[in-house]
Amino acid sequence: NAGVTQTPKFQVLKTGQSMTLQCAQDMNHEYMSWYRQDPGMGLRLIHYSVGAGITDQGEVPNGYNVSRSTTEDFPLRLLSAAPSQTSVYFCASSGPYNSPLHFGNGTRLTVT
Amino acid sequence: AQSVTQLDSQVPVFEEAPVELRCNYSSSVSVYLFWYVQYPNQGLQLLLKYLSGSTLVKGINGFEAEFNKSQTSFHLRKPSVHISDTAEYFCAVTLTPHAGGTSYGKLTFGQGTILTVHP
Repeated sequence: NAGVTQTPKFQVLKTGQSMTLQCAQDMNHEYMSWYRQDPGMGLRLIHYSVGAGITDQGEVPNGYNVSRSTTEDFPLRLLSAAPSQTSVYFCASSGPYNSPLHFGNGTRLTVT
Repeated sequence: AQSVTQLDSQVPVFEEAPVELRCNYSSSVSVYLFWYVQYPNQGLQLLLKYLSGSTLVKGINGFEAEFNKSQTSFHLRKPSVHISDTAEYFCAVTLTPHAGGTSYGKLTFGQGTILTVHP
């Protein structure tokens, strides 16, 4: 059982470039979310989705777009990369309210 | 809005010694509380959670945490640590359904505590 799969694992971008971080889960979870992790700041919620076709903003949504066309996939798009977006990005999913959050292994993004 | 403060950014300890990682939260409504662990170059794994009932919660790998509503704390403890417990630990909260929460997934995390166990 693969769980939550994130690709790529590492990425280097130049300022102004765009890219998509991929996230897929095979647990039929309705809830999916994206967090960024920065030293000393814990994890902060970027965007989340409670089901296909439904997305909403988290704590730090600026500069990021999401869509949820299927239950399995929840890609995160960086529209115009900035050095402030250098971070480790985690995708997570969960089932019904009494189930835990499952995390992917992260994507380490560097913007130069 | 709720917030979480982890009072120690780093905790060094010797193997087989006890450890306590401190977590305080702030919320005007009812919350659920969690501890997650992150090993190097990996995602986060759930250690334990407090939903209701007994204030002492036991988790995996011998960890336990105590919910103290009057002090708004949820400290994590282990009576005897191992080298393999070296990791970063995160405390997190989410709103209960009664308070308008929609999922365990919409968590607010603390800043993290790096636990380093020395031989």
